[in-house]
Amino acid sequence: GAGVSQSPSNKVTEKGKDVELRCDPISGHTALYWYRQSLGQGLEFLIYFQGNSAPDKSGLPSDRFSAERTGGSVSTLTIQRTQQEDSAVYLCASSYPNGYEQYFGPGTRLTVT
Amino acid sequence: AQSVTQLDSQVPVFEEAPVELRCNYSSSVSVYLFWYVQYPNQGLQLLLKYLSGSTLVESINGFEAEFNKSQTSFHLRKPSVHISDTAEYFCAVRGSGGSYIPTFGRGTSLIVHP
Repeated sequence: GAGVSQSPSNKVTEKGKDVELRCDPISGHTALYWYRQSLGQGLEFLIYFQGNSAPDKSGLPSDRFSAERTGGSVSTLTIQRTQQEDSAVYLCASSYPNGYEQYFGPGTRLTVT
Repeated sequence: AQSVTQLDSQVPVFEEAPVELRCNYSSSVSVYLFWYVQYPNQGLQLLLKYLSGSTLVESINGFEAEFNKSQTSFHLRKPSVHISDTAEYFCAVRGSGGSYIPTFGRGTSLIVHP
């Protein structure tokens, strides 16, 4: 079956612009996670959704970052007024409720110039 | 809260040699443990997991990991590596109750030389 998809695969934007990153989870997966992967830093947790609600937003690094999920499916991560330190690979993962295994998308590589 | 330490950022090894990638964790509660692999320009894939029961867990491609509670470790091993095993390997820990969010280590880059 189809895995987790993310778009765009690459995004280059100018400092100060807003960007939207999209994640399409596996059908039936009610849990959705966003992570940020910077070189040599491992995975940094950003936000977790269960259905459409986000019980844990603790990882969002600033109020420039926000995310929503509609219809219990597609999620959008929005970064406003991008900064160069936002450059990273943004990974999305999904899982069944209480699922042990997370299924990851290929990521969106964001470059802020 | 949990934390994960992967002591080696990079492990070079020759093809057909054995390898061990180290992972230590800390947690105040019982844990589930995972190893994920990330090939270049791809997302992470689950390699193996420990939930309960036998402390030795195996993957389909020859990797194994052993949960050692007293040493709070979950090292990943393979007796003979292939060029195709070159990838980034991430250890992750999750509390067995409550939070569904795993904590990941910084990753170990396994580089297999011919």
